[in-house]
Amino acid sequence: DTAVSQTPKYLVTQMGNDKSIKCEQNLGHDTMYWYKQDSKKFLKIMFSYNNKELIINETVPNRFSPKSPDKAHLNLHINSLELGDSAVYFCASSQDRTGTGELFFGEGSRLTVL
Amino acid sequence: AQSVTQLGSHVSVSEGALVLLRCNYSSSVPPYLFWYVQYPNQGLQLLLKYTSAATLVKGINGFEAEFKKSETSFHLTKPSAHMSDAAEYFCAVSVSFGNEKLTFGTGTRLTIIP
Repeated sequence: DTAVSQTPKYLVTQMGNDKSIKCEQNLGHDTMYWYKQDSKKFLKIMFSYNNKELIINETVPNRFSPKSPDKAHLNLHINSLELGDSAVYFCASSQDRTGTGELFFGEGSRLTVL
Repeated sequence: AQSVTQLGSHVSVSEGALVLLRCNYSSSVPPYLFWYVQYPNQGLQLLLKYTSAATLVKGINGFEAEFKKSETSFHLTKPSAHMSDAAEYFCAVSVSFGNEKLTFGTGTRLTIIP
């Protein structure tokens, strides 16, 4: 069983469209995250949710809207896609928020905006 | 604010040779330090972590890292490289509370020469 699963794995779309990426974890973790990895492999946190509550929103445009229906799911909706949104988006989870925790990552969703 | 610097975006070693990937950190409080590995088209996976216990930390796949406070370093080593070690390696630092404060380095791509 995949611990953290993301769908879709690949997404190709036109500028201006709206798209969503779904994430589910079956580890029973309290905290989930969205990371963006750019073409230079730089990883930057976008959002963090703890028990469905938004903890952090790191200067992400409001075109990006995370939604956590329950603590096992954290979806990412992106409105009015721009070329600069092309990246690999990783969902991750951790048991809790403490800094000693280990993050478990999904396999990533590669978004290409044309 | 904490940060990590990974020296060398690309490292190539021969199969069977020593692997040394460098990471220096900056933190105003005692840090927690991590090494993650990313295989092609996969998410990140924790290799090992330092959480203020033993300064020499052993991880999976024969990797280890030593925390040196005086040098603010946390270099990753493996005595004998294997072809399967080819991947991207990320050093990361966190403060004592808040996984959302986990800050990743820019990564080092390890290539193994047969």
